[in-house]
Amino acid sequence: GAGVSQSPRYKVTKRGQDVALRCDPISGHVSLYWYRQALGQGPEFLTYFNYEAQQDKSGLPNDRFSAERPEGSISTLTIQRTEQRDSAMYRCASSLTGGPLGEKLFFGSGTQLSVL
Amino acid sequence: QKEVEQDPGPLSVPEGAIVSLNCTYSNSAFQYFMWYRQYSRKGPELLMYTYSSGNKEDGRFTAQVDKSSKYISLFIRDSQPSDSATYLCAFYTSGTYKYIFGTGTRLKVLA
Repeated sequence: GAGVSQSPRYKVTKRGQDVALRCDPISGHVSLYWYRQALGQGPEFLTYFNYEAQQDKSGLPNDRFSAERPEGSISTLTIQRTEQRDSAMYRCASSLTGGPLGEKLFFGSGTQLSVL
Repeated sequence: QKEVEQDPGPLSVPEGAIVSLNCTYSNSAFQYFMWYRQYSRKGPELLMYTYSSGNKEDGRFTAQVDKSSKYISLFIRDSQPSDSATYLCAFYTSGTYKYIFGTGTRLKVLA
């Protein structure tokens, strides 16, 4: 696609419900990242995929958070038993090679999650 | 000590002013230094990318890195109202796969 696509754009859920956030990266991009961005803050790293392999999940806050990218393209971030503190903007980013050198990240518009 | 420190602003300047945005960092392993611009309700987009100490210029934008002082800057010349956005510094260490972002500085350029 033309850019990184995330859905839904907004998600309102009740405390205790599970949510799944979807990311469709730029076609051909090897690397995929999930970040969380609170209002007035910079993006905070959650997890990283190289193709379908989850190579770093050290930023996931606890075991209620999980992510997958089964075919090396679309990724899903799942939050189980949501809590109010999970409310934030969740952003996906992709990059072309995921090589050892830093490179340009392309961010999606994000999913704004609100847990009531 | 936070790994990255960035003044959140807001910073208001008149059109045409020179703007200086700064970040300090504590992790000496950082090798790549970036500036992202984020418009309201949008995702961040890469503005400048540097590897070594020194200056890099791109149009009205100049990125400066001082590794010895662990300090990076972004200068915007002849600022325009369209430059009004949040500017995020970002850092990367080879092989870590993590890009570490500052909190962002909100800039408003007044017409």
